Amino acid sequence: AQSVTQPDIHITVSEGASLELRCNYSYGATPYLFWYVQSPGQGLQLLLKYFSGDTLVQGIKGFEAEFKRSQSSFNLRKPSVHWSDAAEYFCAVGGNDYKLSFGAGTTVTVRA
Amino acid sequence: EAGVAQSPRYKIIEKRQSVAFWCNPISGHATLYWYQQILGQGPKLLIQFQNNGVVDDSQLPKDRFSAERLKGVDSTLKIQPAKLEDSAVYLCASSLGTRNSPQHFGDGTRLSIL
Repeated sequence: AQSVTQPDIHITVSEGASLELRCNYSYGATPYLFWYVQSPGQGLQLLLKYFSGDTLVQGIKGFEAEFKRSQSSFNLRKPSVHWSDAAEYFCAVGGNDYKLSFGAGTTVTVRA
Repeated sequence: EAGVAQSPRYKIIEKRQSVAFWCNPISGHATLYWYQQILGQGPKLLIQFQNNGVVDDSQLPKDRFSAERLKGVDSTLKIQPAKLEDSAVYLCASSLGTRNSPQHFGDGTRLSIL
């Protein structure tokens, strides 16, 4: 069975500082990996996805993620956060059955 | 392109009542998903449709939940009777259903059970 662990429930970061959100997955074959962001009262917006190829993936809003097969990780990074990045972030893993398993999420608070 | 549409946005009912949610996926998307998101948790898949057929409903509490996708487009999710633990956000998502196509989510319906 596939699963995702996001070790950090809540992260607080200063505006302009760098951000890294951790994601570890469990999947028996080559995974498809995703990061989604959810603002209060809204649905999930896709930030980026990894299917194959280059292990460093660029996404929207200046985010990037790196797939490390040896560590079963897919960490999300942003060099300089903006106040509008305050939201909840979800990592998800999927496979050929097109189903996703989500982590519990990491809440990001941005302080001025 | 228009996104996934869901209605209503909010619903408050008493326990043991029934409720229905509606979802209109992105045009051309063959696969449709319903998720339940309890506060503080990630979304959990309830049911997956491919066109108008059910692919996976293993996590759907079938004694009280039902879903249909007539004509392979719109879908409804129903709860009857509702329990207190059904309080959650119900998210609908759709995708092309091909290997590299991500899921696109609607804004969800927030359900509160009194």
